[in-house]
Amino acid sequence: QQPVQSPQAVILREGEDAVINCSSSKALYSVHWYRQKHGEAPVFLMILLKGGEQKGHDKISASFNEKKQQSSLYLTASQLSYSGTYFCGARGGSNYKLTFGKGTLLTVNP
Amino acid sequence: DARVTQTPRDKVTEMGQEVTMRCQPILGHNTVFWYRQTMMQGLELLAYFRNRAPLDDSGMPKDRFSAEMPDATLATLKIQPSEPRDSAVYFCASGPREGDGELFFGEGSRLTVL
Repeated sequence: QQPVQSPQAVILREGEDAVINCSSSKALYSVHWYRQKHGEAPVFLMILLKGGEQKGHDKISASFNEKKQQSSLYLTASQLSYSGTYFCGARGGSNYKLTFGKGTLLTVNP
Repeated sequence: DARVTQTPRDKVTEMGQEVTMRCQPILGHNTVFWYRQTMMQGLELLAYFRNRAPLDDSGMPKDRFSAEMPDATLATLKIQPSEPRDSAVYFCASGPREGDGELFFGEGSRLTVL
């Protein structure tokens, strides 16, 4: 079953912040985040393992609440290069099966 | 520079024809995924393999789709017969030998069934 992402789309001005949420109806073993530019393949951003950890690099970070089966991706001081579709991937067990949400289209304007 | 290679990049075919898409995973990776991407459904998992063994293909229409890994360097996805609703971009992705790690996606195969 696909995780649910929200919002479906968001438009920002350069420098603004955004939060993308991902939730699952099933227990999560880990959460992956990927970004896809138009016409390209998805590219890995980060993995969060169960344990409630928070990760980040540069101005993109994420949190994972295992009990709520939710993860959030935080983009701060957005740059034009952040534009794209963001996908969360949910892994429900140790069987390596990774299912993705429908994506969140992020547009950053000058 | 290690990367996942998919062929063909673009395929236009007539309804009813057989379509075969191929994927060469990154050397050393032993988990391979097939995803289908459409505007409406996003990235749908069709099938995945670990150590060449199919672990789950519940996302595939069984009557027309089949996925195999004849060896560690080749994964195939076959559609027979193809239908217009199969038009989509099909991505192959490979993952690391151990643990829960980053997936590397190929460039995708864009399929158009007329």
